[in-house]
Amino acid sequence: QVQLQESGPGLVKPSETLSLTCTVSGGSITNYYWGWIRQPPGKGLEWIGTLSPTGSTNYISSLTSRVTISGDTSKNQVSLQLTSVTAADSAMYYCAKVAVAANIFFDFWGQGTLVTVSS
Amino acid sequence: DIVMTQSPDSLTVSLGERATINCKSSETVLYSSNNKNYLAWYQQKPGQPPKLLIYWASTRESGVPDRFSGSGSGTDFTLTIRSLQAEDVAVYYCQQYFSYPITFGQGTRLEIK
Repeated sequence: QVQLQESGPGLVKPSETLSLTCTVSGGSITNYYWGWIRQPPGKGLEWIGTLSPTGSTNYISSLTSRVTISGDTSKNQVSLQLTSVTAADSAMYYCAKVAVAANIFFDFWGQGTLVTVSS
Repeated sequence: DIVMTQSPDSLTVSLGERATINCKSSETVLYSSNNKNYLAWYQQKPGQPPKLLIYWASTRESGVPDRFSGSGSGTDFTLTIRSLQAEDVAVYYCQQYFSYPITFGQGTRLEIK
C-alpha cells in the first residue's frame, strides 16, 4: 500500500519560495502519476499540478509562471516549488497518487502540510 | 476550464435516511470513444485528507460501503448515500478528470439532523 508524507516549512515569508517534499513509500514514483492539491483553510480543493512517470508536468494556468513539480527517483520523492508567494498561497498542501495511469483522480493522499505565508 | 457546481452547499439528513448530492459540469465529461464519464467523488472528514469514494461516475472504490453510490452521465451527476450513518458526516467533493485543468466542485457539507 502506497503511503505519502508531505514535509516542508510551515511558515514562509511573502515573496519567498515555498518548497515542499512528498516522500513516497510502498511504490516507486516512476510507476505512477502524482499530483499536488491545496486547500485554503475552510475552503475547497484546488488542483495545482501533476507529474507523470516520465517527468512531464501539467499545471493550473493561474500558477504556471510560479510553480514547478519534479521527482527525485533516488529518494522516491515528489517536490513542489512555488515562487513569489503571497498570503493567497496559504493553504493545506496535499500530495496524492493518481489511481489509474493518466486518468487524474487520486486514490492515496498524504495527510497534508499546512503552509502559512506571513512576515 | 470545466466548472463543477455542486448542490446543495449544505445538507442535513436524519440518521438512516437518504442523502443526495448533485454535481453539474459546465461541459460534458463523457468520453464518447469509451463511453466513460470522467467524474470522481471524494469524502473529506474534519482534519483529514479527502478519501476517494467513486470514480468513472459510478464505480465504488475498494472498501467503500455499498450505501454509497454514484450515478449520472454527461454533465449531471449524483452521489447518493443510502441509510445515512453518523460517520458519514463530512464534506463531499466531485472532481472531473476529463480535461486539464483538473477541477473540483465547491463541496457539499453533510450533517446529521
